[in-house]
Amino acid sequence: GQNIDQPTEMTATEGAIVQINCTYQTSGFNGLFWYQQHAGEAPTFLSYNVLDGLEEKGRFSSFLSRSKGYSYLLLKELQMKDSASYLCAVRDGGGFKTIFGAGTRLFVKA
Amino acid sequence: DTEVTQTPKHLVMGMTNKKSLKCEQHMGHRAMYWYKQKAKKPPELMFVYSYEKLSINESVPSRFSPECPNSSLLNLHLHALQPEDSALYLCASSQDRQGRSPLHFGNGTRLTVT
Repeated sequence: GQNIDQPTEMTATEGAIVQINCTYQTSGFNGLFWYQQHAGEAPTFLSYNVLDGLEEKGRFSSFLSRSKGYSYLLLKELQMKDSASYLCAVRDGGGFKTIFGAGTRLFVKA
Repeated sequence: DTEVTQTPKHLVMGMTNKKSLKCEQHMGHRAMYWYKQKAKKPPELMFVYSYEKLSINESVPSRFSPECPNSSLLNLHLHALQPEDSALYLCASSQDRQGRSPLHFGNGTRLTVT
């Protein structure tokens, strides 16, 4: 079966660092994506991991451990505009299906 | 600005109506998708087209009928919907079926069935 778990909500302070975790169990694996979604808007692509290790892109970094079925998204120097839902998504072995986790709602406070 | 364009942005329809949602992309992507998203829930996959052929139908009721007239266009025809079908319908595209290409989403059509 397919299962992707993320915390429901997190709160962090402006300027701080926050780590959003994701664990997954899927039938096959062809990459893990992180998307950001502001309320009422479409998801936008943040990062992609298919090999173990850390991918860094500006203030955002994403880590993957395939053996543990685990990923995290690290956001540095938090800004108020980072308040959004962060969706962990896994593309299955066949390559067509991208399955989304329930998302983590991040609240950034001043 | 999104590179995937969806129309209309909002749609209110009765249970006996027939309507269509439209999606267009000009990025040369060969895979296109329909997702359904309820409030505070993740997007749920409905259909996948690859090279203009239907590749995946996630057991979606027949009152939803997808169509891919060409590589740039994707439609979703709606007929005899139920109030529980009210949701945000997201179209997405990706370069191809390979793992690295992310989904590019349109801004969605917010559908209300009365």
